[in-house]
Amino acid sequence: QLQLQESGPGLVKPSETLSLTCTVSGGSISSSSYYWGWIRQPPGKGLEWIGSIYYSGSTYYNPSLKSRVTISVDTSKNQFSLKLSSVTAADTAVYYCARHSGWLRDWGQGTLVTVSS
Amino acid sequence: EIVLTQSPGTLSLSPGERATLSCRASQSVSSSYLAWYQQKPGQAPRLLIYGASSRATGIPDRFSGSGSGTDFTLTISRLEPEDFAVYYCQQYGSSTGFGQGTKVEIK
Repeated sequence: QLQLQESGPGLVKPSETLSLTCTVSGGSISSSSYYWGWIRQPPGKGLEWIGSIYYSGSTYYNPSLKSRVTISVDTSKNQFSLKLSSVTAADTAVYYCARHSGWLRDWGQGTLVTVSS
Repeated sequence: EIVLTQSPGTLSLSPGERATLSCRASQSVSSSYLAWYQQKPGQAPRLLIYGASSRATGIPDRFSGSGSGTDFTLTISRLEPEDFAVYYCQQYGSSTGFGQGTKVEIK
């Protein structure tokens, strides 16, 4: 069964870069059928799609975040990563990674990232 | 950019009742590329419906989805205690995005 696990710092200072990694187990990130995405959820609020990547490296991002987001993939480690630059308190959220083919069937458990000095 | 608006914001119902949740898109969603998710506190969302009306694996048949174009509906035929949660719609026909959610609470 496919499992996804987010990892990275739980606390990031304002203006710095948030970096998270999603490790995929129980399946190959190089599957041609799927994209791999990042979604976030501020405390008490709704879901926001951040962006997605194909195993080949092609990406697409939420236009509202595009200038600050980079998503990359490392097929040798079966991982994909998120970098969000110039963070502010508004970027405080639970960050989820997910596998998708349009719809998001498989999700990680999520990791809370707090932006604070 | 397609904007999804869910209504109502909160639905107060009793176990055994029928729940009808609406998701309206600002533009037509191509090929009915619309999904529904359930989220409980402290948990990741769970996929319920994709392609507007196809149930995901393991989802009980009391959950059903319908609609096309700009108007979509999630129906829970008879609410079970475990169904009280927040529900989100997502379109994936043009990039992707979520509605703001509908909370189904116990009356």
